[in-house]
Amino acid sequence: EAGVAQSPRYKIIEKRQSVAFWCNPISGHATLYWYQQILGQGPKLLIQFQNNGVVDDSQLPKDRFSAERLKGVDSTLKIQPAKLEDSAVYLCASSFLAGGPNEQFFGPGTRLTVL
Amino acid sequence: DAKTTQPNSMESNEEEPVHLPCNHSTISGTDYIHWYRQLPSQGPEYVIHGLTSNVNNRMASLAIAEDRKSSTLILHRATLRDAAVYYCIWGDAGNNRKLIWGLGTSLAVNP
Repeated sequence: EAGVAQSPRYKIIEKRQSVAFWCNPISGHATLYWYQQILGQGPKLLIQFQNNGVVDDSQLPKDRFSAERLKGVDSTLKIQPAKLEDSAVYLCASSFLAGGPNEQFFGPGTRLTVL
Repeated sequence: DAKTTQPNSMESNEEEPVHLPCNHSTISGTDYIHWYRQLPSQGPEYVIHGLTSNVNNRMASLAIAEDRKSSTLILHRATLRDAAVYYCIWGDAGNNRKLIWGLGTSLAVNP
């Protein structure tokens, strides 16, 4: 079974530039998550989708971050404009269902450096 | 806010058992306890989860205290590949089982 795919793996941009990350979840997984992980910290949930609807985006900085999940499969996360404090690893995860103790499967992450 | 407390770091020797403790004193009766681990430069990986009873799988065992205020992840024979950050997390039953991650325990395994 193919895992969660993310691209790019690394990205370096200047502050105030825009950047987009892509995620392809495991086939058949209805729930998709985007996390931000700052160095030395645990992941922080940015947004959770159930199919193509948003379940939780309470910690998404909506003035600069946006995310969409077209047709309930692939997802993109965008930052516009980027700030220095956005330097982090952005992790995508998917699970079969939402709710309950469902195992989340994580991709390798995209490491973003904002200069 | 992270709702679990774990030691920042622990050390073990290869082929010895490892007991990783976690305190979650404010957990509710319906919140599951999850453990994930994150190897260097990789995304987190599911290890195990439980509610009330002790749980075993091919990777580890989870011992949950009777009052559910603490739990222990047990790696029966540590290998060098088990060196990782181990996160004890609870799924917030009141928030669609949202996982709130803390800082985790960094486990070093000595050969």
